[in-house]
Amino acid sequence: GAVVSQHPSWVICKSGTSVKIECRSLDFQATTMFWYRQFPKQSLMLMATSNEGSKATYEQGVEKDKFLINHASLTLSTLTVTSAHPEDSSFYICSARDHDSDTKNIQYFGAGTRLSVL
Amino acid sequence: QKEVEQDPGPLSVPEGAIVSLNCTYSNSAFQYFMWYRQYSRKGPELLMYTYSSGNKEDGRFTAQVDKSSKYISLFIRDSQPSDSATYLCAMRKGSNYKLTFGKGTLLTVNP
Repeated sequence: GAVVSQHPSWVICKSGTSVKIECRSLDFQATTMFWYRQFPKQSLMLMATSNEGSKATYEQGVEKDKFLINHASLTLSTLTVTSAHPEDSSFYICSARDHDSDTKNIQYFGAGTRLSVL
Repeated sequence: QKEVEQDPGPLSVPEGAIVSLNCTYSNSAFQYFMWYRQYSRKGPELLMYTYSSGNKEDGRFTAQVDKSSKYISLFIRDSQPSDSATYLCAMRKGSNYKLTFGKGTLLTVNP
């Protein structure tokens, strides 16, 4: 099956620093990747859609200057949380849509990154 | 009214029981329906993917879609303690690939 690798799985940082999270599709090409945020006992909320070679599309209410997304290749998207503050502490999850025509409707998810901002 | 409604539970059943999980939705534009399983502090894992109304079976799992009622279900037969997780329904419209998730139902299967 399709595998999406997300790194790091857990990061603790000081307030005001920036944190980069990587999302890689290991065995397929992903023209589109998605970034979600999940608070405890809540569902996944889409933050942005990342398209290879173009600017990300952000959902309403998500600050694009705070959550920088780069999708430089068909297998890698990164999310950078800039000047992180304690309220940014959350579980961030990426997903990737398989470029292959047989399974392109399916999103495969990474294992998530737990961000704790002190 | 939220686009997707899902009872968060928690739901606790004995091992071997049949589990029924449900979601309702309000937007008739949703065409693709999925069930994901999420263990604590892990990413969601795709269990079932359906497009049309009707039933789809995969091992112990059966997904059911009733578009006329805007209602989807996931049945788990012979439930196992390893099935203990949060089950998320998700759906998307035909026009884009964004997923809209339910809140998730926390299931515990007791040995």
